[in-house]
Amino acid sequence: DAGVIQSPRHEVTEMGQEVTLRCKPISGHDYLFWYRQTMMRGLELLIYFNNNVPIDDSGMPEDRFSAKMPNASFSTLKIQPSEPRDSAVYFCASRPLRGYNEQFFGPGTRLTVL
Amino acid sequence: AQSVTQLGSHVSVSEGALVLLRCNYSSSVPPYLFWYVQYPNQGLQLLLKYTTGATLVKGINGFEAEFKKSETSFHLTKPSAHMSDAAEYFCAVSDHGYDKLIFGTGTRLQVFP
Repeated sequence: DAGVIQSPRHEVTEMGQEVTLRCKPISGHDYLFWYRQTMMRGLELLIYFNNNVPIDDSGMPEDRFSAKMPNASFSTLKIQPSEPRDSAVYFCASRPLRGYNEQFFGPGTRLTVL
Repeated sequence: AQSVTQLGSHVSVSEGALVLLRCNYSSSVPPYLFWYVQYPNQGLQLLLKYTTGATLVKGINGFEAEFKKSETSFHLTKPSAHMSDAAEYFCAVSDHGYDKLIFGTGTRLQVFP
């Protein structure tokens, strides 16, 4: 059974460019979470979806960040325009509706903005 | 409000020594509790979880944790450290009916030969 899939695994871009990170959750999972991890701020929840609907985006740092989930098997996190301080590892996680809230994490996308 | 405190951002042990990583939580009701491990350049992987029932929980790679309600703690232990245990460990909490996990700030475990 495939886990959470993220692409790309590494992204290097220049300041001002648009960046799109992609996530495919585990099939059948109802929740999808986007996290950002940095040395300074640790692991931060950016936004999460339930049945493709954004529930809480209070962690999105600013309007340059946006996330969508057009269907149950795909989500994107977009940064436009990107800035050097956006450099981080971005994780996607998913979980089913039933259970004990255990989340399953993808391998992450390491973003470097020059 | 839920919160998680991990005491010690860095812990160093010798190979073969006891590993003890501390986690205290704040929750109004007995929560679900988790330990995740993150190896370098990888995502977070579940080590173990407490939901209900037996308070001593066994996980992968020889780790275990004990839920102590009176102390609001969920410390992670392993009797004998191995070099491959070097990683970052995160404690997390979630209340019943709550969508999110609240993560601690993590503890980096170093294992010396």
